[in-house]
Amino acid sequence: GAGVSQSPSNKVTEKGKDVELRCDPISGHTALYWYRQSLGQGLEFLIYFQGNSAPDKSGLPSDRFSAERTGGSVSTLTIQRTQQEDSAVYLCASSLQGPAKNIQYFGAGTRLSVL
Amino acid sequence: KQEVTQIPAALSVPEGENLVLNCSFTDSAIYNLQWFRQDPGKGLTSLLLIQSSQREQTSGRLNASLDKSSGRSTLYIAASQPGDSATYLCAVRIYGGSQGNLIFGKGTKLSVKP
Repeated sequence: GAGVSQSPSNKVTEKGKDVELRCDPISGHTALYWYRQSLGQGLEFLIYFQGNSAPDKSGLPSDRFSAERTGGSVSTLTIQRTQQEDSAVYLCASSLQGPAKNIQYFGAGTRLSVL
Repeated sequence: KQEVTQIPAALSVPEGENLVLNCSFTDSAIYNLQWFRQDPGKGLTSLLLIQSSQREQTSGRLNASLDKSSGRSTLYIAASQPGDSATYLCAVRIYGGSQGNLIFGKGTKLSVKP
């Protein structure tokens, strides 16, 4: 079956522009997660959705970052007024239920480059 | 604050060698620990998930151990192959606090030479 799908795979943008990253989780997975992987850094948690609600937004680095999930499926991560330090690989994952015991399945990521 | 450390950062071995990757964490109150593999340009693939009540998990040539009291986990790879070349990440899930996140180490980049 299809895995977690992310688009675009690569995005180059100019500083100050807004970008939207999309994640399509595995069908039937209720939990969805966004992470960021910066060069030389480990994966950094951004936000977690259970259904359409986000019980945990603790990882969003600034108010320029927001995410939504509609219909309990597709999620978009929006970065407004992008800065060069936003350049990273943004990874999305989904799991069957909540995070406690369920394995997270990751997408291939979106590589964002802010010039 | 939970911190996860992986040593070494990079490792190069000849094909056929058995090897061990190390992961340590500062707070032993974890819910589970997971080992992932990341290939260049690709997402993460889950290899093994060890619940806090377990001491090890095995899958094929991979064996992961967990010692919560000492804050350590190891990933043992038997008879390594060039196809095992990748970055290996460990991650812990903590109790309480944030429910959603895994806390990752920075990974060990493994290169298996033919």
